[in-house]
Formats: sequence, structure tokens, C-alpha cells
Amino acid sequence: AQTVTQSQPEMSVQEAETVTLSCTYDTSESDYYLFWYKQPPSRQMILVIRQEAYKQQNATENRFSVNFQKAAKSFSLKISDSQLGDAAMYFCAYEDRTSGSRLTFGEGTQLTVNP
Amino acid sequence: DTGVSQDPRHKITKRGQNVTFRCDPISEHNRLYWYRQTLGQGPEFLTYFQNEAQLEKSRLLSDRFSAERPKGSFSTLEIQRTEQGDSAMYLCASSLGGWNQPQHFGDGTRLSIL
Repeated sequence: AQTVTQSQPEMSVQEAETVTLSCTYDTSESDYYLFWYKQPPSRQMILVIRQEAYKQQNATENRFSVNFQKAAKSFSLKISDSQLGDAAMYFCAYEDRTSGSRLTFGEGTQLTVNP
Repeated sequence: DTGVSQDPRHKITKRGQNVTFRCDPISEHNRLYWYRQTLGQGPEFLTYFQNEAQLEKSRLLSDRFSAERPKGSFSTLEIQRTEQGDSAMYLCASSLGGWNQPQHFGDGTRLSIL
């Protein structure tokens, strides 16, 4: 079974600084997607960025980028120029063809942005 | 695109009662998912539909849980004889067909069992 692990329950960053959130996963599949979702307090889960396993180039979305290391099964999220609105719970998630479209989520990392 | 809508936002009920939640997906999305999220944890998959067909159910979905999507549009999740352990946030998501399409989540229904 696929598993996703986020080893950092909490992280903090100063406004305008850079922070990296870690995620590792376990799978025997070769074709899969990885995602980072953001869940602000009492608000809906929002997709931040996604990476297809077959693509070697790391995905970027404005201030958000990933470091995808397929051999190491690592998928970290870098947030540059952190803003107060980035404060949220961040979840790493995994999906492959055999999982029937279900997402497998990690435990989450609570990010605090200090002014 | 009005987003995924869930109703109610909060439900408080006594143990042993039945509850029903509703999810309205994004209109052109034919896939609909239910997840459960307990405090401080990531969401866990419960079940998903392709149009009106329920294609997969998690082992987490005990026989007290039932989900329907009768016309391939909105979906309901019913929990019978609620237990304390059912207290959680129930999230609905929808997507276009295909395993690599991103899922869009609703705000969730928070269930509290007294």
C-alpha cells in the first residue's frame, strides 16, 4: 500500500523568508502524481502544486516550487518570499492509476508565518 | 464555476442518531469523492463515484455508512446509529474524469457526536 509521510508537524518562517516542507512516500508504481494541498483554518483544501512522476523537471507555481527526487521518493515544497496568507496546514498527497483516483495524504505540516 | 458545495457546515447530534450530508460538485465534474478528516490528521479516503456509479469503497466505510449519487450530480453520505468515533470533518471533492485530474474540495461538514 502506498504511504505518505510528513515528518514535520510544525514549521515557522519569517515573512519574506523561504521555507521548505518535507514529504516522503512509498510506492512500487512508476507512474503517479504528487500534490501539495493547503488548508487554511476553517477553510477549504486548495491545490498548491502538482508533479507528474515521469516529468524530471520540478514543478513551479509562482512562489511555490517542488524538489522531486524520484529515486529517494522525496517531494519537498519550497515557499519563497513567505506571506502572512501562506499560514495554513499543508498536506502532501499521492495518486496513481491503481489507487482508483483516491488521494493518499500525509499527516500534514502546520506552517506559521511570523510578521 | 461555483465550487464544491457541502451542506450543512456543522452538525451536532446525539450518539445513536442518523445523519445525512449533502455534496454538490462542480457542475461539469463527473467524479465525486468523500474523505474523512479527524483533528490534526490528513484526510482519509472513504468512497468515490464516476457519474452515478459507486466505484470504490474504503474499508473505513462500515455498514453504518452509505453514500449515493442518484443522478450523477449531487451526492449524499448517511451515517446510521452514529458513534463517538464518527466525530470528524467529512470532505467532498470533485474532478473531471481521469486519474490524473486534480480534485477540488468543498469546505466540509464538521460532525460532532454528543
